[in-house]
Amino acid sequence: QVQLQESGPGLVKPSETLSLTCTVSGGSISTYFWSWFRQPPGKGLEWIAYIYHVGSTNSHPSLKNRVTVSVDTSKNQFSLRLTSVTAADTAMYFCAREMAAARWYIDVWGKGTTVTVSS
Amino acid sequence: EIVLTQSPATLSLSPGERATLSCRASETISSYLAWYQQKPGQSPRLLIYDASIRATGIPARFSGGGSGTDFTLTISSLEPEDFAVYYCQHGFNWPNTFGQGTKLEIK
Repeated sequence: QVQLQESGPGLVKPSETLSLTCTVSGGSISTYFWSWFRQPPGKGLEWIAYIYHVGSTNSHPSLKNRVTVSVDTSKNQFSLRLTSVTAADTAMYFCAREMAAARWYIDVWGKGTTVTVSS
Repeated sequence: EIVLTQSPATLSLSPGERATLSCRASETISSYLAWYQQKPGQSPRLLIYDASIRATGIPARFSGGGSGTDFTLTISSLEPEDFAVYYCQHGFNWPNTFGQGTKLEIK
């Protein structure tokens, strides 16, 4: 049973860079699409970006200039970098895996990690 | 960007009752729609994909329908563990988006 675990700082200062890593256990990072989502407190879900194991990637147009996603197959990890953060980036961040049988649907989620942007 | 509008925002029902949740897309998305359940402090759980296919391990009381712009999630007889927030999400084009959620609460 594949499991995902997010890791990274829980507090980031405004204008700095948010960096998170997702470690995949119980399965290989190869073959699947991997994604990052976020959910501001009390609000809905936003799909930030996705990456394929060979490195092809895309991100939400509203975040494109600030987002970088990468994958490290040797460590079975993928990562998110979000630059120039503001209070609006405060959220629960989830890493996730798309279904093998159908693109764009998420069948495995990490538990999430809370990131607060504050000085 | 396709906008998904869910209704109602809150649905108050009792265990054993039937729940019908709606999701409307701002343009046609064929059948590329999923439903997720999220409980407080937890990550979402995939219930339905491609509008009507139950995900692995999802009970038969959950069913999805619709195509084009109008979709429904039906829970035939509510169990106590079904009270949660439900989100729809489209997979038609990028960026995929979510509805704002329907909170299903105990009456």
